[in-house]
Amino acid sequence: DVVLTQSQFSLPVTLGQPASISCRSSQSLVHSDGNTYLNWFQHRPGQSPRRLIFRVSNRDSGAPARFSASGSGTDFTLKISRVEAEDVGVYYCMQGTHWPRTFGQGTKVEIK
Amino acid sequence: EVQLLDSGGGLVQPGGSLRLSCAASGFIFTDYGMTWVRQAPGKGLDWVSTIDYSGGSTFFADSVKGRFTLSRDNSKNTLFLQMNNLRVEDTAIYYCTRGFYDVDVWGQGTMVTVSS
Repeated sequence: DVVLTQSQFSLPVTLGQPASISCRSSQSLVHSDGNTYLNWFQHRPGQSPRRLIFRVSNRDSGAPARFSASGSGTDFTLKISRVEAEDVGVYYCMQGTHWPRTFGQGTKVEIK
Repeated sequence: EVQLLDSGGGLVQPGGSLRLSCAASGFIFTDYGMTWVRQAPGKGLDWVSTIDYSGGSTFFADSVKGRFTLSRDNSKNTLFLQMNNLRVEDTAIYYCTRGFYDVDVWGQGTMVTVSS
């Protein structure tokens, strides 16, 4: 199985400051069709998860512009340019390239 | 508006069965594969199963293989997860999601509790 490792379990951040979450895969996430199916989700308390980013770096409509992502192959990063209070929650990466689909263990973003 | 409405959760004893449903609206159901994801209490997200757009191919996590079946009724825009021989460790919120490779829209979730 592909293991996605998010190195930070918890990420305390200061309002207005940038934040970065990493996701490392145990194997390449490039699919045979040429796409890299790496998604990022935000899960706020009491809500359903919400996708922010698909295929490494494509921001979903409705996702704030302060969210961006990058990466390739096995190393991926989600960035928040300036953290706002509503960004508190758990962030997950997920790969859709290999079976079984797998999620990272999650990174909890909290305000200092 | 694209919507997924999960239902069918509840309390069941170990060894029992439940059938979850997911009613889809606001998009062409037959254009999309569909996926179930669960979250056990205090844990992270965990992929359960995926079905392709036609219903011809299904995929399962090893933890549920042989106990869960996934099907869809494309005439009713509905997805079904039949869960048999349930275990305590299947206790979780189950989310219906849209997608085969890229999962985007999520339902509100339905709680399954397996306990004696």
